[in-house]
Amino acid sequence: DGGITQSPKYLFRKEGQNVTLSCEQNLNHDAMYWYRQDPGQGLRLIYYSQIVNDFQKGDIAEGYSVSREKKESFPLTVTSAQKNPTAFYLCASMTFGQKSASGRFGELFFGEGSRLTVL
Amino acid sequence: KQEVTQIPAALSVPEGENLVLNCSFTDSAIYNLQWFRQDPGKGLTSLLLIQSSQREQTSGRLNASLDKSSGRSTLYIAASQPGDSATYLCAVRKTGNQFYFGTGTSLTVIP
Repeated sequence: DGGITQSPKYLFRKEGQNVTLSCEQNLNHDAMYWYRQDPGQGLRLIYYSQIVNDFQKGDIAEGYSVSREKKESFPLTVTSAQKNPTAFYLCASMTFGQKSASGRFGELFFGEGSRLTVL
Repeated sequence: KQEVTQIPAALSVPEGENLVLNCSFTDSAIYNLQWFRQDPGKGLTSLLLIQSSQREQTSGRLNASLDKSSGRSTLYIAASQPGDSATYLCAVRKTGNQFYFGTGTSLTVIP
């Protein structure tokens, strides 16, 4: 089945540690996104990538880093510079120029999320 | 910058009732608008997507409408069921492939 896989589902980080969240998609989508979700707030964009080896900062990129070495993979590293990393992280993807499996152009799909907690 | 607002933040209805969720946005220059459902601790599931040239989309008991000129979209749920209980979010897509999300409406359908 096609979809977006995020791992791990739950992750705990100690102060000063870097952690990496994995996002893999087998939908052959062009664009991939990382969002952060906090209680009572809308999704906030961290980074996005429209093509391999290229990515752009979103609204809250400070303390995060990404790479896009393969079309299907877009890992997010939460660095020790991120002062308040406890949150729910969501990866999403979208294709350009062709319909999704549900027959719609420009439809955004999400993974199941990763919850990061700082100890 | 695009602002997306969803009112109310929470809604409780008895089972079987028809209901409307609202989404408003400040900049009418959008590419499309998408409605999602999110269950607690889960990712977002796409429900309906309306292109900027369309007025509405339907899927089963769900109907979404779009009025770009007034910056509004509604999600109509017919004959609500307890399984419809979830948070519903709308998102608008601007050119440049960025999305702007509302904070969601938490729906509880009471059996």
